[in-house]
Amino acid sequence: AQSVAQPEDQVNVAEGNPLTVKCTYSVSGNPYLFWYVQYPNRGLQFLLKYITGDNLVKGSYGFEAEFNKSQTSFHLKKPSALVSDSALYLCAVRDEGKGTYKYIFGTGTRLKVLA
Amino acid sequence: DTEVTQTPKHLVMGMTNKKSLKCEQHMGHRAMYWYKQKAKKPPELMFVYSYEKLSINESVPSRFSPECPNSSLLNLHLHALQPEDSALYLCASSQEEGAMIETQYFGPGTRLLVL
Repeated sequence: AQSVAQPEDQVNVAEGNPLTVKCTYSVSGNPYLFWYVQYPNRGLQFLLKYITGDNLVKGSYGFEAEFNKSQTSFHLKKPSALVSDSALYLCAVRDEGKGTYKYIFGTGTRLKVLA
Repeated sequence: DTEVTQTPKHLVMGMTNKKSLKCEQHMGHRAMYWYKQKAKKPPELMFVYSYEKLSINESVPSRFSPECPNSSLLNLHLHALQPEDSALYLCASSQEEGAMIETQYFGPGTRLLVL
């Protein structure tokens, strides 16, 4: 079965410093991976996805993610964190099977950017 | 326009009440989803509609009844809920194009409190 793991419940980073939010995956076929961000009392906003192609995926709001097949990882990165980036970050993998559009979400990592 | 709207934003209901949640998108998407998100947990899929037909029901109790009257609208009818059903209910939609892995776009959610 497909799954993703986010090993850190919370990440603290100083404003202006680079940030990394970790995600590892376990899939039986090709991995289709996503990152979403959720601000307090809000729905999820799409950041980026990896389907195939370049291992470095660029997304919204200056975020990017690096797909690493040998380490089965899909870490989210940003070169310079902003206080406004503070939110819950969710990694997801699309479930396998024909005609299924099911996401499996990780438990989430709460990012806190300190001024 | 990548907007999914949900009404109401907040809902308080008793265990004997009947209420409905509404979700709307005008992006021409043919797949729509209901998720349930408890506090400090990732979203959990409840239902998927594909071309207005129910394609996935994640063993959700019958007190939750989804309805897709047309390709733009998705409802979730609630009846005889329990306090443990209190959660954020998220709607999402995606374009279905064969094997292409499409992004799901989420609404802001309805925060439900069952007393």
